[in-house]
Amino acid sequence: GAGVSQSPSNKVTEKGKDVELRCDPISGHTALYWYRQSLGQGLEFLIYFQGNSAPDKSGLPSDRFSAERTGGSVSTLTIQRTQQEDSAVYLCASSLDRVNTGELFFGEGSRLTVL
Amino acid sequence: AQTVTQSQPEMSVQEAETVTLSCTYDTSESDYYLFWYKQPPSRQMILVIRQEAYKQQNATENRFSVNFQKAAKSFSLKISDSQLGDAAMYFCAYRSAGNNDMRFGAGTRLTVKP
Repeated sequence: GAGVSQSPSNKVTEKGKDVELRCDPISGHTALYWYRQSLGQGLEFLIYFQGNSAPDKSGLPSDRFSAERTGGSVSTLTIQRTQQEDSAVYLCASSLDRVNTGELFFGEGSRLTVL
Repeated sequence: AQTVTQSQPEMSVQEAETVTLSCTYDTSESDYYLFWYKQPPSRQMILVIRQEAYKQQNATENRFSVNFQKAAKSFSLKISDSQLGDAAMYFCAYRSAGNNDMRFGAGTRLTVKP
């Protein structure tokens, strides 16, 4: 597609359930990022994928959070045993690589609400 | 670790006037990029302007310009002739040329009054 695509746009779940959020980056972009944005707050870095290198998971808040990127393209962020504090907008972004322009292209985000 | 600070949680400007949003950052690196992103209510982050640290000349994109003070580690955004469509959250961001992640400030919510 022309831009970064995220699904679902909105997700409401019950506390304790697992959720999966999907990100389809811009074709040809080797770098993919996940950020979390709590209500009215800035962006919190979660995880970064670059090509076939091991991902930078330094921002994941707990072991309930995991992410994978299959075939160097689509990525899935999984949150297990969701808690109310996980409620936020999860933003995905992609870029060509860290050297080229430095610019990130963002999706519209997935709003997660944990009841 | 690099940090980005936006000290103005909210700003307001009258339509057609000029407003400046502040941003400071902390880094020990010499090669990096700085960005201003806009996030309207639709949630999608849009790049407004970008500055390479090695360039002394301030970046300009139409009504948007920056005041980049490398020694002071300051990167402010000036919006001239403000329009109603400029109303949004504005995020300042830092990205090292040799690092993986982009660090964002907490954001400034800009309101444009008609």
